[in-house]
Amino acid sequence: DAGVTQSPTHLIKTRGQQVTLRCSPKSGHDTVSWYQQALGQGPQFIFQYYEEEERQRGNFPDRFSGHQFPNYSSELNVNALLLGDSALYLCASRQTDNTGELFFGEGSRLTVL
Amino acid sequence: AQSVTQLGSHVSVSEGALVLLRCNYSSSVPPYLFWYVQYPNQGLQLLLKYTSAATLVKGINGFEAEFKKSETSFHLTKPSAHMSDAAEYFCAVSIMEYGNKLVFGAGTILRVKS
Repeated sequence: DAGVTQSPTHLIKTRGQQVTLRCSPKSGHDTVSWYQQALGQGPQFIFQYYEEEERQRGNFPDRFSGHQFPNYSSELNVNALLLGDSALYLCASRQTDNTGELFFGEGSRLTVL
Repeated sequence: AQSVTQLGSHVSVSEGALVLLRCNYSSSVPPYLFWYVQYPNQGLQLLLKYTSAATLVKGINGFEAEFKKSETSFHLTKPSAHMSDAAEYFCAVSIMEYGNKLVFGAGTILRVKS
């Protein structure tokens, strides 16, 4: 049983560019969340998707957007990249009726130069 | 709004010694509480969770945590540290009515000395 898979694992962008990160949830999971983990900090909630809609959003600007597909996979898009967007981006999935347990992928490490 | 405070960004113990990682939370409603572990260049792995059942929760790899409502704490312990326990540990809180998003603490890096 594959867990949560993310791609790419590493990428480098320059300021002002756009990036798309991808996530496939664990089998049987229908809810996907994205977290940003800056160096030396705990993960911060970006948003959550269920039934192809954004259900909840953290304190992130509109430059951060997402999408969920009918197969429950998800994308995170960041426009107009800033140096401060450099971080590990973690995708997590769960079943909607689960008591909060999230399963995390290994993350996509974004470096903005 | 809920929040988590982890006391001590770095903790160092000798192999075989007690591990104690501290976590205090703030929440206006009964929370769900979690401990996750993160090894270098990896994602987060759930160690244990409290979801309003038994206050003493046992997790994987010999870890356990006790929910103390009066102290708003959820400290993580392990009787005897192993070298393989060296990692970063995150305490997190979630509120069911907020859609189960997790609010994480800043993390504690555990170093195990031989």
